[in-house]
Amino acid sequence: AQSVSQHNHHVILSEAASLELGCNYSYGGTVNLFWYVQYPGQHLQLLLKYFSGDPLVKGIKGFEAEFIKSKFSFNLRKPSVQWSDTAEYFCAVNANNAGNMLTFGGGTRLMVKP
Amino acid sequence: GAVVSQHPSRVICKSGTSVKIECRSLDFQATTMFWYRQFPKQSLMLMATSNEGSKATYEQGVEKDKFLINHASLTLSTLTVTSAHPEDSSFYICSARQSYEQYFGPGTRLTVT
Repeated sequence: AQSVSQHNHHVILSEAASLELGCNYSYGGTVNLFWYVQYPGQHLQLLLKYFSGDPLVKGIKGFEAEFIKSKFSFNLRKPSVQWSDTAEYFCAVNANNAGNMLTFGGGTRLMVKP
Repeated sequence: GAVVSQHPSRVICKSGTSVKIECRSLDFQATTMFWYRQFPKQSLMLMATSNEGSKATYEQGVEKDKFLINHASLTLSTLTVTSAHPEDSSFYICSARQSYEQYFGPGTRLTVT
């Protein structure tokens, strides 16, 4: 069965700092990869996704993620965070043999200090 | 964009009663919807996959007789928590599939007293 791990449970940054959130998955086959964000009191929203092609994916709000197949990783990055980026971030994986099922990582709670 | 709604957003019920939560895809049809449960400070755990016109597929450890799922139309799936107990208190989130993506509802916070 596939699993997803996010190494950082809580991250605190100051505004303008750079962000990198780790995501690793365990599945040897073809995967689709996602990052979702959940702002306080709001529902999950898709930040970006990778299906195929260029492993460096750009999403909304200046976020990007890089798929490194050899490392089974899909880390999320942002060069300069803002206070409004305070939220919880979830990495999710869909393995091609799992239908449309998404497996979520444990989430990373990001707090950006103004 | 694709919008998914849930109703109610919050519900408080007494132990032993049943609660129905609705999940609707507002501007698209979804043959597949998913139900998740999220405990405080934890990730989403898939409970079941709801397929229009057929029985839901439950994940291991999820009691199908307790969490009844009905997907009667292409825009509506319902989750009924039967004979609810305090340990069923949680945040329930649905999603609807469109193409390869899932669009999430805002969630329903269930509190069982």
